[in-house]
Amino acid sequence: SQKIEQNSEALNIQEGKTATLTCNYTNYSPAYLQWYRQDPGRGPVFLLLIRENEKEKRKERLKVTFDTTLKQSLFHITASQPADSATYLCALDDQAGTALIFGKGTTLSVSS
Amino acid sequence: EPEVTQTPSHQVTQMGQEVILRCVPISNHLYFYWYRQILGQKVEFLVSFYNNEISEKSEIFDDQFSVERPDGSNFTLKIRSTKLEDSAMYFCASSEGSSSYNEQFFGPGTRLTVL
Repeated sequence: SQKIEQNSEALNIQEGKTATLTCNYTNYSPAYLQWYRQDPGRGPVFLLLIRENEKEKRKERLKVTFDTTLKQSLFHITASQPADSATYLCALDDQAGTALIFGKGTTLSVSS
Repeated sequence: EPEVTQTPSHQVTQMGQEVILRCVPISNHLYFYWYRQILGQKVEFLVSFYNNEISEKSEIFDDQFSVERPDGSNFTLKIRSTKLEDSAMYFCASSEGSSSYNEQFFGPGTRLTVL
């Protein structure tokens, strides 16, 4: 079965720096990969989706890359702000195509 | 902006009791999902629902669980006989199409506590 590793459980950075979060998967290459943000006690909120034939996707200060050879996605937040502090979840489709498989997440703390 | 709503926000029940968790998905969405998140752990898929039937279910979704779309707006998750290990946040989600190539919109969750 698919396993997802988000390498850091916690990441602490200073305001203004770029945060880089890693998502690795172990089994089949997914058709797409999604990133979500989760605040404490709340549901995940969709941020970005990248398809297997896309290398990079951007949205404002966010950038996602997808390397199917390395079985890895990188999620970048540039010019980070304290309001970016949250847990960021990587999610993949399962092979049946309706379920999302989530990683455990990386908790980002941005200090001012 | 349209959003997924869930009720109640917090449900406390005794072990062995039945609970029904309610969700109102976004109105033009066709796919509906339930996920759960045990405290400190990852979000886990339970079931997906399309065209009034289950599309896919996980190993967690055993005979104690059922889903229903009783009318045109509500989507419910029933747990027939709750166990202590069912204590978790339960999230409902919906999407326009299959989760392949479509983002899922999550509700705020129902915190279920089984005593």
